[in-house]
Amino acid sequence: GENVEQHPSTLSVQEGDSAVIKCTYSDSASNYFPWYKQELGKGPQLIIDIRSNVGEKKDQRIAVTLNKTAKHFSLHITETQPEDSAVYFCAASKGSNYQLIWGAGTKLIIKP
Amino acid sequence: DAGVTQSPTHLIKTRGQQVTLRCSPKSGHDTVSWYQQALGQGPQFIFQYYEEEERQRGNFPDRFSGHQFPNYSSELNVNALLLGDSALYLCASSLDAAAYNEQFFGPGTRLTVL
Repeated sequence: GENVEQHPSTLSVQEGDSAVIKCTYSDSASNYFPWYKQELGKGPQLIIDIRSNVGEKKDQRIAVTLNKTAKHFSLHITETQPEDSAVYFCAASKGSNYQLIWGAGTKLIIKP
Repeated sequence: DAGVTQSPTHLIKTRGQQVTLRCSPKSGHDTVSWYQQALGQGPQFIFQYYEEEERQRGNFPDRFSGHQFPNYSSELNVNALLLGDSALYLCASSLDAAAYNEQFFGPGTRLTVL
């Protein structure tokens, strides 16, 4: 079955710098790759997603890239701010009637 | 447009008891998935409901059961509670007809088993 690996488990960056989180997946049939941000005590919030027919997607300071050949996708956050501190999860899915397969999460710490 | 709502927000039970958690999906969504998230870990898929039927199930025992109502809302039931069932229980809704599995999560129910 599908397996998603996420690195690093913890990432500490200076405020204003960029942060990059990487995920790899195993099932080439996966076609949807969301990223979720989870703050302490809250449910995961979908922040950006990418579909298999697209190589890159950007939304203000957040961007996601997908390399289908290598089966990996990455989250890029530029000009980091204190409110970006949270746990970020990547996931992969083959379609609407398949479950999301999750990465283990990355704790992002923004140092002032 | 109301997002996914869950109730209650917090719950404390003792071992052996039974619990029912509730979820209302985002407007327009017809599919509900339930997840268990232990402290410091990622969400673990419990099961998914569509058209009032359990469509998929993760690696959880039969003590975990669910139901979906005609209005698409859903309940998660856990019987014979164990200490290890203490976790944040998350509900996510999606649209079955969508080409991609875009899921929106509620705030979760924090269950503590003593």
